[in-house]
Amino acid sequence: GAVVSQHPSRVICKSGTSVKIECRSLDFQATTMFWYRQFPKQSLMLMATSNEGSKATYEQGVEKDKFLINHASLTLSTLTVTSAHPEDSSFYICSARTMDHTRPMVEQFFGPGTRLTVL
Amino acid sequence: GENVEQHPSTLSVQEGDSAVIKCTYSDSASNYFPWYKQELGKGSQLIIDIRSNVGEKKDQRIAVTLNKTAKHFSLHITETQPEDSAVYFCAASSGTYKYIFGTGTRLKVLA
Repeated sequence: GAVVSQHPSRVICKSGTSVKIECRSLDFQATTMFWYRQFPKQSLMLMATSNEGSKATYEQGVEKDKFLINHASLTLSTLTVTSAHPEDSSFYICSARTMDHTRPMVEQFFGPGTRLTVL
Repeated sequence: GENVEQHPSTLSVQEGDSAVIKCTYSDSASNYFPWYKQELGKGSQLIIDIRSNVGEKKDQRIAVTLNKTAKHFSLHITETQPEDSAVYFCAASSGTYKYIFGTGTRLKVLA
């Protein structure tokens, strides 16, 4: 149980285009989903937190107009990288927190990640 | 700001030997410390975690120790196997949603 999927796993796009990444909790409902970015040989950096039905909360330094997050349901959150540039090339990872109150509130389940390459 | 330092960045061990990865955190309010194993295509899997009211936790070949006074915690893998090869991340959380991750350790278990 507690499986999180991401789609696509890998995407290559041209500079200036927009890319949408989906994050789904497959077998549980997620109160909260998180989006991270990971550069090569670096740690996961939290970009934003999204709660179903409300606006995402962005971390300092993350442009909300560039990284659009939609959390329309308890099992789906999307991250859209708008007007992508080569410096946006990175590994994007989502995670989700379950509504199951028997699990620790702080526990997160991670998706497999999406490798974005902007040419 | 809050940060988590992780060492070493790479670690090679012979199959059957033990591996130890250490993390140090800065936020004294941190009370939850998960360890994740990251493999290509599989995402980051929680392998063990520890809370601040416990000094040590063990699950088969994997153990984690916590020293709250020194603000560091360590992952111990015994009898390593080739399938243990992966990147391992530690994280610290103060009980809210926010995880501060370490920079990762690439473990290679040599057959």
